[in-house]
Amino acid sequence: AQSVAQPEDQVNVAEGNPLTVKCTYSVSGNPYLFWYVQYPNRGLQFLLKYITGDNLVKGSYGFEAEFNKSQTSFHLKKPSALVSDSALYFCAVRDSSWGKLQFGAGTQVVVTP
Amino acid sequence: DGGITQSPKYLFRKEGQNVTLSCEQNLNHDAMYWYRQDPGQGLRLIYYSQIVNDFQKGDIAEGYSVSREKKESFPLTVTSAQKNPTAFYLCASNSNPKATNEKLFFGSGTQLSVL
Repeated sequence: AQSVAQPEDQVNVAEGNPLTVKCTYSVSGNPYLFWYVQYPNRGLQFLLKYITGDNLVKGSYGFEAEFNKSQTSFHLKKPSALVSDSALYFCAVRDSSWGKLQFGAGTQVVVTP
Repeated sequence: DGGITQSPKYLFRKEGQNVTLSCEQNLNHDAMYWYRQDPGQGLRLIYYSQIVNDFQKGDIAEGYSVSREKKESFPLTVTSAQKNPTAFYLCASNSNPKATNEKLFFGSGTQLSVL
């Protein structure tokens, strides 16, 4: 069975500071990892995905994620946070099956001016 | 949200009533999904459909029903058997359900509340 954990309910960061949102996963085969972002009362938007290859994945809006196989982690990062980055962030994992996606509980990011 | 339309944006259900949430996509995607979102619980899969006239139960299908008569449409009915229906419901699609690297496209959601 696959699972994903986001250990922090909320992350607070000042504008201009680096932002990290943590995610760890468990799958039986090769992991296919995704990050999505949700703004209030909206659907989720795709940020980036990891399939295989480079451990640092670059995505939309200046976000990137670092894949670490030994720690089974896929943390989302942004070097300099913006107030507009305040939103709910979801990590998701899919194994080598038909494509059912398992979502984490989400991490609320609050960026203060 | 491009290409997936959910309606209505807000919906209220009375006791014992069935209500239907609409989801329409113009992306020509084969696969469509319904998720339920509750605070602090992430997204849970209710039903999914990989192709027209076929659908499968997800993790929390009890109290819900779906149909997939057209490729573009995947309506979700919340029946009176669903005792705790208050939640934010999200519809999603992707072009290839068997491709593990395919991303999902989401609608803007329907907030269902019980009167």
